[in-house]
Amino acid sequence: EDKVVQSPLSLVVHEGDTVTLNCSYEVTNFRSLLWYKQEKKAPTFLFMLTSSGIEKKSGRLSSILDKKELFSILNITATQTGDSAIYLCASFGNEKLTFGTGTRLTIIP
Amino acid sequence: DAGITQSPRHKVTETGTPVTLRCHQTENHRYMYWYRQDPGHGLRLIHYSYGVKDTDKGEVSDGYSVSRSKTEDFLLTLESATSSQTSVYFCAISELGGNNQPQHFGDGTRLSIL
Repeated sequence: EDKVVQSPLSLVVHEGDTVTLNCSYEVTNFRSLLWYKQEKKAPTFLFMLTSSGIEKKSGRLSSILDKKELFSILNITATQTGDSAIYLCASFGNEKLTFGTGTRLTIIP
Repeated sequence: DAGITQSPRHKVTETGTPVTLRCHQTENHRYMYWYRQDPGHGLRLIHYSYGVKDTDKGEVSDGYSVSRSKTEDFLLTLESATSSQTSVYFCAISELGGNNQPQHFGDGTRLSIL
């Protein structure tokens, strides 16, 4: 059975801190790994990674994939209160996405 | 934002009643998906569609049916709702499906079965 595990389950930090969110996966016929941010409503797409070692960046957010060790990390530098959300990791394999349960990130002003 | 509209946004109904949720897209994307999101389980795929009248089951399809008669609309039906189907339901779309296209989500429908 395909599985995606995220850690930590929740994280509370102060504004300005840097955080690292973890995602490990066991997915048959792995094709890609995706990160989403979910605030009150719809998950919004952040990154899709398909190759090991190539960092994707968008402003203060970055992510990297390790296909040998079957994990990905999402880094957020200089955190802001607007970064408070649930971050979802998902892995694509066998024509479907398998999601982790998410990391709830809270940024204290 | 992807042009996805889910309706209704909230619904409360009783056990045993039929319920239909609607997903409407304005992107002309081929693939559409229904997920449910529950605490401790993350998002789980119920059914998906890869074209008009072409649908397939996901991992939690029991008790649900779907229909897609037009590219823009994907309906999820609970024939006889049960309390275990209380959840938040999300529709998602992707242009081509497969591993090279991310899915984009609607705002969800919060469904309570009493």
